[in-house]
Amino acid sequence: GAGVSQSPSNKVTEKGKDVELRCDPISGHTALYWYRQSLGQGLEFLIYFQGNSAPDKSGLPSDRFSAERTGGSVSTLTIQRTQQEDSAVYLCASSPGVVLARAKNIQYFGAGTRLSVL
Amino acid sequence: KQEVTQIPAALSVPEGENLVLNCSFTDSAIYNLQWFRQDPGKGLTSLLLIQSSQREQTSGRLNASLDKSSGRSTLYIAASQPGDSATYLCAKTSYDKVIFGPGTSLSVIP
Repeated sequence: GAGVSQSPSNKVTEKGKDVELRCDPISGHTALYWYRQSLGQGLEFLIYFQGNSAPDKSGLPSDRFSAERTGGSVSTLTIQRTQQEDSAVYLCASSPGVVLARAKNIQYFGAGTRLSVL
Repeated sequence: KQEVTQIPAALSVPEGENLVLNCSFTDSAIYNLQWFRQDPGKGLTSLLLIQSSQREQTSGRLNASLDKSSGRSTLYIAASQPGDSATYLCAKTSYDKVIFGPGTSLSVIP
């Protein structure tokens, strides 16, 4: 597609349920990033993928959070046993480069998924 | 601890004014500094990216500078317009992390 696509755009769930958030990056982009933006908070970096592998998962808030990427394209962020503090906007971005540190790797963001845990 | 701060937190200016948004960061290990714009309910739009070897980048009415030694970046917006109203975030990229500042909320009054 022309841009980064995230689905669903809004998700309301009950505490304790599992949710899956999906990100379709720009075609050909090898790097993919997940962020979280809580109400009134700054943007929090969660994880990034180089191809299908995630070199550093330490940004994930807890072991209830996991992410995977298949075929070097679509990524899913899964939150198990959701808690109210998981309520936030989850943003995905992609960039052309493989290495995060590559200086010219401009990140292109999706519109986000707004997660509300009741 | 790596931190990125932005000053001011909010800014309201009349249309036509020139303005400067500030971004400060600790830890001079930086690969690039990126400025984004976020409109309510929408994702982020990249405005400018400055590589660590560069001092500034320009795009239209926007100019961003980077001073690694002092840990500062500024975003200069010339001749502000109501359509510039948004939240502006800076993000510092090191080898394996991207750290965002809290943002500056800008309102340009017609």
